[in-house]
Amino acid sequence: AQKVTQAQTEISVVEKEDVTLDCVYETRDTTYYLFWYKQPPSGELVFLIRRNSFDEQNEISGRYSWNFQKSTSSFNFTITASQVVDSAVYFCALLNFGNEKLTFGTGTRLTIIP
Amino acid sequence: GAVVSQHPSWVICKSGTSVKIECRSLDFQATTMFWYRQFPKQSLMLMATSNEGSKATYEQGVEKDKFLINHASLTLSTLTVTSAHPEDSSFYICSARDHQTLETQYFGPGTRLLVL
Repeated sequence: AQKVTQAQTEISVVEKEDVTLDCVYETRDTTYYLFWYKQPPSGELVFLIRRNSFDEQNEISGRYSWNFQKSTSSFNFTITASQVVDSAVYFCALLNFGNEKLTFGTGTRLTIIP
Repeated sequence: GAVVSQHPSWVICKSGTSVKIECRSLDFQATTMFWYRQFPKQSLMLMATSNEGSKATYEQGVEKDKFLINHASLTLSTLTVTSAHPEDSSFYICSARDHQTLETQYFGPGTRLLVL
């Protein structure tokens, strides 16, 4: 069975602060994919990143960075110099290889205070 | 990037009527589409997996006769909520999996259904 835990239900930070969203996953498979999605108030889920289990390189995309550590089964997401437009619910998700279904975490609601 | 559209974005209907929601992949072919339901401040709940040309696979507890899914082409899947009741009011989201990059699901903008 697979599981994704996002322990932080809600986070509020002041604009320009850095913030890290935690994601811990459980799976018995050795091949899997991890995702982050952003859901702004409009409701649409926006794909942010996909990482496969064999690639532990951290990734940076502009103000976004992701830290994948298999040893701790974590795939954390950091926003640097946060902006009001970053306010959204962020979901971490897991997909086991050969499986069609995404397992979502419960989401973290991030509020950036101007 | 891959774009998925949903129509309508909002629908208000009377109890007992049926509502059809369309999900289209605009710039890629999707052999598999997924339908989710999301209640306020909750995560997404998978309702069913829709494969082109075959019957949908429903998750446990989802009534297949109430939520009819048709995936007639590689770019279109429809969800029909039959005889809708107020408890069916929710946010319905579809996603499509690009058959070339099987791992990633791209989501539509969602449909807010309010049943009076």
